Amino acid sequence: GESVGLHLPTLSVQEGDNSIINCAYSNSASDYFIWYKQESGKGPQFIIDIRSNMDKRQGQRVTVLLNKTVKHLSLQIAATQPGDSAVYFCAENMSNFNKFYFGSGTKLNVKP
Amino acid sequence: DADVTQTPRNRITKTGKRIMLECSQTKGHDRMYWYRQDPGLGLRLIYYSFDVKDINKGEISDGYSVSRQAQAKFSLSLESAIPNQTALYFCATSDVTGSNQPQHFGDGTRLSIL
Repeated sequence: GESVGLHLPTLSVQEGDNSIINCAYSNSASDYFIWYKQESGKGPQFIIDIRSNMDKRQGQRVTVLLNKTVKHLSLQIAATQPGDSAVYFCAENMSNFNKFYFGSGTKLNVKP
Repeated sequence: DADVTQTPRNRITKTGKRIMLECSQTKGHDRMYWYRQDPGLGLRLIYYSFDVKDINKGEISDGYSVSRQAQAKFSLSLESAIPNQTALYFCATSDVTGSNQPQHFGDGTRLSIL
């Protein structure tokens, strides 16, 4: 079975509803953030990124919000679909160091 | 075809054995990384390389070594495997253009050490 999702916070949503996944990052000097999606048996897949000079960025069905004051990042998925079921995690980076630090993730379950 | 290919996808071996995990990429990226993933934990960086002659330790490099044979290839070795190295291992690449670029991952190697 898939071990990546064990012991992770889980969010269950109904198909068609909007999902909001949250992430608290650790370093106030971080200036670049990414959301990744990881499906069972696959590697992390890039969804959307945001730089620290922005508060919001939109993609196709996804929006990332950045609150630097409280070091919080969120991913909003509109009209959630069964194919969105996966583990989602955020990553932070300080460009001076060129290394990412990854959160442990949230498991999203989409109920049909 | 996958841009970042890892081999093998699964491996079961015994304590004390030497193991090599391979990563190759067709993205033309200069930067390559090795991570391990354990249940309930975020990805942790083992080693990274910004160019063929450049090798850097990550946060958990003890017990591992790497080789950057060419721009497209980055291999990870466990010289004498131990059970707590059982994990999912991921290779990633990133471009050098600009100051911030996302990392692109392979589909991982599931390694079990008995």
